Amino acid sequence: EADIYQTPRYLVIGTGKKITLECSQTMGHDKMYWYQQDPGMELHLIHYSYGVNSTEKGDLSSESTVSRIRTEHFPLTLESARPSHTSQYLCASSELGSYGGTEAFFGQGTRLTVV
Amino acid sequence: TQLLEQSPQFLSIQEGENLTVYCNSSSVFSSLQWYRQEPGEGPVLLVTVVTGGEVKKLKRLTFQFGDARKDSSLHITAAQPGDTGLYLCAGARGGSNYKLTFGKGTLLTVNP
Repeated sequence: EADIYQTPRYLVIGTGKKITLECSQTMGHDKMYWYQQDPGMELHLIHYSYGVNSTEKGDLSSESTVSRIRTEHFPLTLESARPSHTSQYLCASSELGSYGGTEAFFGQGTRLTVV
Repeated sequence: TQLLEQSPQFLSIQEGENLTVYCNSSSVFSSLQWYRQEPGEGPVLLVTVVTGGEVKKLKRLTFQFGDARKDSSLHITAAQPGDTGLYLCAGARGGSNYKLTFGKGTLLTVNP
């Protein structure tokens, strides 16, 4: 069972508010990711990190920012939320599996609604 | 351009039927993973395939990796309502082996 946690699970917030989505993992993984997903749709990589003090933008442009000050913690921040930010945000960490392939472990996600 | 193409996008079948879903690409992958996602949850890893031609079985699920490591398939025998979910394939390529690319997924509904 994966030990990666996201809070909150659900968030409804007004336009213009600043929000931080939390993600923590206890597996000691160096690599962590944030994906954005609309219901039943594909996952879009928005941020990833190789390790502490390392962050990169993903394939999908996002107005959010991330930080990686500690190995286990990878929070995502939106300075000014807009309705277009309404989506599900999934955090993941990964390791090299026993078969040699990258294997990702996901949190339960945060469902964000901006009104 | 979608790196990993999954088909079909939607599939609705009756309990007990067999089905196959596909994950295709024009690129070579060092490994491919299959994940299953239930509504409101994060994806859960089902299997990783790394060797061309590899076949792995997980109870009623059979996963195959193409000889050229560009495609994969998932076959489910005697589907059950509990198999309902979004099936995602993901691949890691060579130098960026840690960065997974996901397909759009196949949304499977198994009706009782």
